[in-house]
Amino acid sequence: DIQMTQSPSSLSASVGDRVTITCRASQSISRFLNWYQHKPGKAPKLLIHAASILHGAVPSRFSGSGSGTDFTLSISSLQPEDFATYYCQHTYTTPGTFGPGTKVEVK
Amino acid sequence: QITLKESGPTLVKPTQTLTLTCTFSGFSLTTSGVGVGWMRQPPGKALEGLALIYWDDDKHYNPSLKSRLTITKDTSKNQVVLTMTNMDPVDTATYYCSHIQLGTDRVDDYLGQGALVTVSS
Repeated sequence: DIQMTQSPSSLSASVGDRVTITCRASQSISRFLNWYQHKPGKAPKLLIHAASILHGAVPSRFSGSGSGTDFTLSISSLQPEDFATYYCQHTYTTPGTFGPGTKVEVK
Repeated sequence: QITLKESGPTLVKPTQTLTLTCTFSGFSLTTSGVGVGWMRQPPGKALEGLALIYWDDDKHYNPSLKSRLTITKDTSKNQVVLTMTNMDPVDTATYYCSHIQLGTDRVDDYLGQGALVTVSS
């Protein structure tokens, strides 16, 4: 069973800050890694799939990188609508596993 | 435009069986490469994948819950049904269904708003 960890579990940031979230898999998952943004009361929203491919109309301030076991989600300039919880998910096996989440809060 | 909506009971008693329905539009579950999945999020906890079903009726379950889960599809109604037996208070969660696109990777690219299910006597 592949376990996913994320760090930090939470962070405080200001609008305009660069934010980086790390996700680590317990074994290699190639690039089978997705990132979601989740706001309370709303459906999780896919941001990135295959480690680095932006989904649909997701703003270019979001980017993803990594392969194997270590992955990163970056937000180049944090916007007010970006305060949320972010989850990584591997799909190397089915149905896959999510990380515990990183909450991005207002500083 | 792809939309999905979860429906089912908001309250179930321990040991009862939960039946959730995902009704979708904007895609067909007869199209090659398409699937529908279910995941859940207990209060204050992380998301957890539960089950998924593909256009060809291939089904996959979370190994830790496999004995309690059944997923089926009704392509004529654009619905996917998830049943979970022997419900327990720890199963209290918001349950989401998702559209899955299977390509070089598998992507749950659209999710429903979720349905909160409380397990309590």
